[in-house]
Amino acid sequence: DQQVKQNSPSLSVQEGRISILNCDYTNSMFDYFLWYKKYPAEGPTFLISISSIKDKNEDGRFTVFLNKSAKHLSLHIVPSQPGDSAVYFCAARAYGGATNKLIFGTGTLLAVQP
Amino acid sequence: DAGVIQSPRHEVTEMGQEVTLRCKPISGHNSLFWYRQTMMRGLELLIYFNNNVPIDDSGMPEDRFSAKMPNASFSTLKIQPSEPRDSAVYFCASSAGTTNYNEQFFGPGTRLTVL
Repeated sequence: DQQVKQNSPSLSVQEGRISILNCDYTNSMFDYFLWYKKYPAEGPTFLISISSIKDKNEDGRFTVFLNKSAKHLSLHIVPSQPGDSAVYFCAARAYGGATNKLIFGTGTLLAVQP
Repeated sequence: DAGVIQSPRHEVTEMGQEVTLRCKPISGHNSLFWYRQTMMRGLELLIYFNNNVPIDDSGMPEDRFSAKMPNASFSTLKIQPSEPRDSAVYFCASSAGTTNYNEQFFGPGTRLTVL
């Protein structure tokens, strides 16, 4: 049973426009959420995170929004660049459990068209 | 500073053969994780270690899978016997500390193909 779901396997946007990647979760005990980015033939790398006590975190072109009531988070990339083309994984950590255990989603492949 | 090192990068084997994947975590990190990536299930945590001790192996799919961490700088994931459905990319990751959240650093992965 997938506790972290990324329902869009792929997304295509034009360079300069906004990319919005979505993630839903089912476990209300998750207290920390992260986005990882993965290029082909490389391991995932950490991109941005948000604590469950916040609803927004911004880092340059990347912003993560958290809606706890809807159990939904999203990653916004503005403006999108061709170098952002990658697979994006959403991940969540369960409070009170093993502190470094993360549950990942299935990933969304973002393609930014020049 | 070297990141997480995995070997081999690619492995092709025949069904029934034993497969051993290797990982060297970042020096000083005391948590190590093995993940498997598939299209259907994304990144699944198989097992993780804290200070060389297995903490949670609930993600290990079957008894055919086993993992060891004999010391702080080396871990193996073994599949015996291997099956075609084991074909996937296997990642090793490490992190520092066990309290609060600490970023996990991933290796480049091992692409396993079982024929």
